[in-house]
Amino acid sequence: AQKITQTQPGMFVQEKEAVTLDCTYDTSDQSYGLFWYKQPSSGEMIFLIYQGSYDEQNATEGRYSLNFQKARKSANLVISASQLGDSAMYFCAMREAYGGSQGNLIFGKGTKLSVKP
Amino acid sequence: EAQVTQNPRYLITVTGKKLTVTCSQNMNHEYMSWYRQDPGLGLRQIYYSMNVEVTDKGDVPEGYKVSRKEKRNFPLILESPSPNQTSLYFCASSLSGFNDEAFFGQGTRLTVV
Repeated sequence: AQKITQTQPGMFVQEKEAVTLDCTYDTSDQSYGLFWYKQPSSGEMIFLIYQGSYDEQNATEGRYSLNFQKARKSANLVISASQLGDSAMYFCAMREAYGGSQGNLIFGKGTKLSVKP
Repeated sequence: EAQVTQNPRYLITVTGKKLTVTCSQNMNHEYMSWYRQDPGLGLRQIYYSMNVEVTDKGDVPEGYKVSRKEKRNFPLILESPSPNQTSLYFCASSLSGFNDEAFFGQGTRLTVV
């Protein structure tokens, strides 16, 4: 079974609007971390935001926020006021403290976001 | 500057010709790993290392070798590359906690003909 599921292969958003990228995860660990990375067309992987399983508040980093719903096992990325430079692939990832993944960072298949002018 | 350095960035090679992709980090991270990225499949882990001389297989280890003789270096070796190893490869390093982000190299785009 997939540990990280991103159900939106591609999305479009109008410039200056907000967009939500979905991510659900599967783990039986109590301790885990959730990460979002951005991959622009140039190819590099850019860390955006982190949410810990024990964090009670949703993480925020500038225009990025993470809508963390622990009971539903979802960790959606919200980008506010989209910019043309936000067009990229976005990957959700998880790291378990004790699970069978040995602390590895497990990725979803990604969502390609396109921002329209 | 804290960074993970991969070389080369681009490589075209022929089937069966051994090659090595180097990876070096300057952050004293214990944990290093290699991923390959293919369209529609996301990033899949090839091998990882939790410390010097400690390596283990990831999800897609066939056709690859690694070594971790020094903490900072984690080369990826393809002893006999085949066309199905054409991919984008990333090296990553991190501290070992579940709340530690991974730092990625710039990527190596490998084509095997």
